[in-house]
Amino acid sequence: AQSVTQLGSHVSVSEGALVLLRCNYSSSVPPYLFWYVQYPNQGLQLLLKYTSAATLVKGINGFEAEFKKSETSFHLTKPSAHMSDAAEYFCAVRLNRGNNDMRFGAGTRLTVKP
Amino acid sequence: ETGVTQSPTHLIKTRGQQVTLRCSSQSGHNTVSWYQQALGQGPQFIFQYYREEENGRGNFPPRFSGLQFPNYSSELNVNALELDDSALYLCASSLASGQDYEQYFGPGTRLTVT
Repeated sequence: AQSVTQLGSHVSVSEGALVLLRCNYSSSVPPYLFWYVQYPNQGLQLLLKYTSAATLVKGINGFEAEFKKSETSFHLTKPSAHMSDAAEYFCAVRLNRGNNDMRFGAGTRLTVKP
Repeated sequence: ETGVTQSPTHLIKTRGQQVTLRCSSQSGHNTVSWYQQALGQGPQFIFQYYREEENGRGNFPPRFSGLQFPNYSSELNVNALELDDSALYLCASSLASGQDYEQYFGPGTRLTVT
């Protein structure tokens, strides 16, 4: 069964530091992978998605993620953290390409210190 | 362009009662998906409606049911509420069903069952 695991429920970085949020996937078929961000009292917003084209995917707000099949990973990075990046981040894998059935990770809360 | 809206924002119900949550999809979107997000966890796919028909369902019992109307707005109904149904319920709409279409999430309805 397809699934994702997010390593670290809470990550804290200083403003300007590198952000690295980890996601590993399990899938018997080429996966479609996503990163979403959730700000307090808001719904989820798509940051980026991997759909088997380029392995390095660039998203919004300066985030990017690299699909590594050998490591079954899809880690999210941003070179320089901003205070506004503080939020909950979810990695997800689409289970069914005909609909929106997706399996989400448990989330990683990012805190940015001034 | 109006985004995805959900009502009510918050709701408190008693175990055994029934509840209806509402979602208005983004203009032009014919597909609506519902997710349950328990505290501290990622969203779980409940089901999806495409052009008024259910076309995908997650691992939820039949007491979770839904409707989609001709204007593509949607309802989520939960019967015989249990304490574990307490969660944030997210609605998402997309232009159509399938992997190529981005989902846009509403802010959610927080349901508390006492």
